Amino acid sequence: NAGVMQNPRHLVRRRGQEARLRCSPMKGHSHVYWYRQLPEEGLKFMVYLQKENIIDESGMPKERFSAEFPKEGPSILRIQQVVRGDSAAYFCASSPLTSGDSYEQYFGPGTRLTVT
Amino acid sequence: KQEVTQIPAALSVPEGENLVLNCSFTDSAIYNLQWFRQDPGKGLTSLLLIQSSQREQTSGRLNASLDKSSGRSTLYIAASQPGDSATYLCAVWSGAVDLGGGADGLTFGKGTHLIIQP
Repeated sequence: NAGVMQNPRHLVRRRGQEARLRCSPMKGHSHVYWYRQLPEEGLKFMVYLQKENIIDESGMPKERFSAEFPKEGPSILRIQQVVRGDSAAYFCASSPLTSGDSYEQYFGPGTRLTVT
Repeated sequence: KQEVTQIPAALSVPEGENLVLNCSFTDSAIYNLQWFRQDPGKGLTSLLLIQSSQREQTSGRLNASLDKSSGRSTLYIAASQPGDSATYLCAVWSGAVDLGGGADGLTFGKGTHLIIQP
């Protein structure tokens, strides 16, 4: 059973371009979470999605950021008109629909976004 | 709002020592607590998960304890090795909002940067 997969692992964008980050959850997992780790900062929750639904986007910046988890295919975190402050590591995690009272989240390797 | 604090922020010890990393959280209404390891430029490796009903978990040389009522957890590393050098992160989950919990995502501390000297 492959783990959580993220691609690309590294992404370089110029200011004003769009960044698309992909996350494929573990097989059988229907819950996806996105986190951001800014340089010298802790990981911060951004958004929680289930298939075709955004459940909680309380940690998402109000502008330029969006996320989706379609019925088929990976979850996408999209950043429009990137700025230097968006440079960070973006991690995706997944968890199964039911896991007793564990609800353990399994993390992917992350995408490191650099905005030049 | 849940806040997680990890002490110390950095620690450097000689190989072979036993050591303790501390984690505290402000809201005791949690479902579980996880300890992760992060190597430079890498992702997160889950070390131990403790359910709210549990007091401790052990894996090899690692032992994590949880005192939910006081909002504290410790990660004990026995007989430290240079390969243990990494940043150790503590994270709590307060339960999914649609299940009546406080937050869908994990709340992380800023980590303890550990160096084990050969």
